[in-house]
Amino acid sequence: KQEVTQIPAALSVPEGENLVLNCSFTDSAIYNLQWFRQDPGKGLTSLLLIQSSQREQTSGRLNASLDKSSGRSTLYIAASQPGDSATYLCAPGGDRGSTLGRLYFGRGTQLTVWP
Amino acid sequence: NAGVTQTPKFQVLKTGQSMTLQCAQDMNHEYMSWYRQDPGMGLRLIHYSVGAGITDQGEVPNGYNVSRSTTEDFPLRLLSAAPSQTSVYFCASSYSFLTLTSGGPGGQFFGPGTRLTVL
Repeated sequence: KQEVTQIPAALSVPEGENLVLNCSFTDSAIYNLQWFRQDPGKGLTSLLLIQSSQREQTSGRLNASLDKSSGRSTLYIAASQPGDSATYLCAPGGDRGSTLGRLYFGRGTQLTVWP
Repeated sequence: NAGVTQTPKFQVLKTGQSMTLQCAQDMNHEYMSWYRQDPGMGLRLIHYSVGAGITDQGEVPNGYNVSRSTTEDFPLRLLSAAPSQTSVYFCASSYSFLTLTSGGPGGQFFGPGTRLTVL
């Protein structure tokens, strides 16, 4: 079974800092990896999707990298803002013998950016 | 597009009652799934469907039933609610694995969630 670990569990930083959120997964036989953000009491919003053949994806101040062979993904947030405060979830899609379309979730990194 | 919609947003049940959580998507996605989210735990897969008429169990299926009679709808039924089913439930949808690997649009879309309390 795919196990997903996110480090750190919580992060509190002043506005303007560049951030690194880490995700590791145990089974490298994935077909993609998605990063989500979740605001308190809300649903999940997709931030970035990286296909297994890709190394990274960028959207605005966000950049996600994927090293499938080592089971790692990293989300970089540049010039953080208070509006970035949320829980960030990493979700690799699939594993060996996996259910098609299944995502596996870590517990997330809770980010607080203060002014 | 409305995306993925879920009803109700909130529900309180008594132990032993049954109910259905509704999920619908208007993106013609083949794959739909239900997750539950509990404090201190990651989202866990309850049931999923790879197309109309096809469903299967996920990680925590006990106490829940699903059916998929149309592409758009994927309701989750609680047969006899228990306090352990107090949770936030999310429905998600995406294109199929075959579409993803052929270069089609990927990624899963989530609904806003249903917060369920069982007393």
